[in-house]
Amino acid sequence: RKEVEQDPGPFNVPEGATVAFNCTYSNSASQSFFWYRQDCRKEPKLLMSVYSSGNEDGRFTAQLNRASQYISLLIRDSKLSDSATYLCVVNGDYKLSFGAGTTVTVRA
Amino acid sequence: EAGVAQSPRYKIIEKRQSVAFWCNPISGHATLYWYQQILGQGPKLLIQFQNNGVVDDSQLPKDRFSAERLKGVDSTLKIQPAKLEDSAVYLCASSFRKAVSYEQYFGPGTRLTVT
Repeated sequence: RKEVEQDPGPFNVPEGATVAFNCTYSNSASQSFFWYRQDCRKEPKLLMSVYSSGNEDGRFTAQLNRASQYISLLIRDSKLSDSATYLCVVNGDYKLSFGAGTTVTVRA
Repeated sequence: EAGVAQSPRYKIIEKRQSVAFWCNPISGHATLYWYQQILGQGPKLLIQFQNNGVVDDSQLPKDRFSAERLKGVDSTLKIQPAKLEDSAVYLCASSFRKAVSYEQYFGPGTRLTVT
């Protein structure tokens, strides 16, 4: 079983829509969780950390469910500029493990 | 603030040849990482340095890959000899501290094609 698994998508959504996707992780002892964003042929950049109580950053909301071992990302009021691959990142055994990414395409 | 610098940006070599990549982290960042990202996959950690010491190289194919960070600043990653399956983007990242809770800043990567 992979350490971090994501639905690869793609999620094709119109501008203004809400899109949400999950990521599951295998190591129940994981302590830190992140969402990184990667544009096509670019490097990953931190989008947000994920806290136990859930957190928001503008149009982005991240949730953590330790019991079921998944984290989620919700994007409200999607913009064209949100088109990217979203990488789920989990701290397992003191190193970061990256998922393969979920691709989101926002269309006009 | 200058970001993580990497060179070259692109490299095409034949199998069994050697190649080296260079990375200069953000000034003051003690921790440096090398990742391999194969098309369609997430980055996979190859090696992590804390200053000039190796913290984790458990996923580095040591029969052909080597890396060093002699003065605790810039770093080189070498592949010798290259195989077709080494075709990937090699990403360097740095962070202020070792703890994984600290944000990692990535360089633009080196896109390697092995023919």
